[in-house]
Amino acid sequence: NAGVTQTPKFQVLKTGQSMTLQCAQDMNHEYMSWYRQDPGMGLRLIHYSVGAGITDQGEVPNGYNVSRSTTEDFPLRLLSAAPSQTSVYFCASSYGQSPSGANVLTFGAGSRLTVL
Amino acid sequence: GQNIDQPTEMTATEGAIVQINCTYQTSGFNGLFWYQQHAGEAPTFLSYNVLDGLEEKGRFSSFLSRSKGYSYLLLKELQMKDSASYLCAVRDSNYQLIWGAGTKLIIKP
Repeated sequence: NAGVTQTPKFQVLKTGQSMTLQCAQDMNHEYMSWYRQDPGMGLRLIHYSVGAGITDQGEVPNGYNVSRSTTEDFPLRLLSAAPSQTSVYFCASSYGQSPSGANVLTFGAGSRLTVL
Repeated sequence: GQNIDQPTEMTATEGAIVQINCTYQTSGFNGLFWYQQHAGEAPTFLSYNVLDGLEEKGRFSSFLSRSKGYSYLLLKELQMKDSASYLCAVRDSNYQLIWGAGTKLIIKP
């Protein structure tokens, strides 16, 4: 049981390049999400998905695309990288968003992206 | 707007007790979470409060007062491994998590 697996751990891009951050979970979680973490700020939600074929925007979606073709995978695509996208990215999953339980998020190890 | 406030940094001594406060103003309330994040690592779940009162889990306890928009995380018998950032998050009326910037806790011998 690997939990949430993110790749790559580190990436350096030039402005304008595109790339995909991979995220996979083996816990059969319905809910998956992408956050970015910047110094002095709380985690900010980029995009999320409540099940295969369903995605929605979070707080800071501009410049990012997602898709959810399977329950397990939730890749994040940077279309044309900008220096403002330099950050640490976390993928996180949970059983759902039901208000009846804690629905604890399980996070991947993080991907540190630098855009020059 | 929605806001979560926590102290930026705290220092405590090994073996002592420390209380990390969190105040929040959100659109609705569907639970409050505390996560621990060691430097360079992912956040991991510590506690969840949805009703007023104290939840105890070993050396860690978390308190919630919904009327005051206030929570605290209490860490007892501090160990060096407790040096980490502690993140407070509130689930709002849309069941989205609003995160504080985190409190960096430094433990000194």
